[in-house]
Amino acid sequence: DIVMTQSPLSLPVTPGEPASISCRSSQSLLHDNGNHFFSWYLQKPGQSPQVLIYWASNRASGVPDRFSGSGAGTDFTLKISRVQAEDVGVYYCMQGLQTPYTFGQGTKLEIK
Amino acid sequence: EVQLVESGGVLVQPGGSLRLSCAAAGYIFSRYWMHWVRQAPGKGLVWVSRINEDGTTIDYADSVKGRFTISRDNAKNTLYLQMNSLRAEDTAVYYCARDVAGGDDYWGQGTLVTVS
Repeated sequence: DIVMTQSPLSLPVTPGEPASISCRSSQSLLHDNGNHFFSWYLQKPGQSPQVLIYWASNRASGVPDRFSGSGAGTDFTLKISRVQAEDVGVYYCMQGLQTPYTFGQGTKLEIK
Repeated sequence: EVQLVESGGVLVQPGGSLRLSCAAAGYIFSRYWMHWVRQAPGKGLVWVSRINEDGTTIDYADSVKGRFTISRDNAKNTLYLQMNSLRAEDTAVYYCARDVAGGDDYWGQGTLVTVS
């Protein structure tokens, strides 16, 4: 199975400041079609997960442009340009290249 | 508006069986892969199973293989998860999700299964 490793696991951020979460996979997530089958999700308190970024760098529909994804191969990053109070929750990375799909441990973002 | 509504989660004894349902609305159900993902209380997300558009391709996590069966009824716009030989470690919120990792991701609100 592909292992997904996130860091940090806890992220206190001051509103208006930037934030960054990293995720590393145990093998390349590059598909033959040229896309990386890698996604970022946010699970807000009491809610189901919602996709933020798919194929490593594509922002999902309705996601604010302060969220951006980058990376290739085995190393990926989610950046929030200016954190807002509504961004609190747990962020997960996930690989969908091969089954079983696997998730990172989650990064809990809190507001200072 | 896309809707995925899970149902069927209850308290069940170890060794028991349960069938979860996920009713889809607001899009053409038969055009998407569907998935089940679970989350134990206070824990992270764990992928369980997936099924392709016409039900001919199915995959499972090793932890549920041989005990769980995913299926779909495209005429009823409904996804199912038959869960047999349930264990305490199957206790979780079960989410159905559309097109996970595919760019058109959407998740339901989940249904709680408690095995005790």
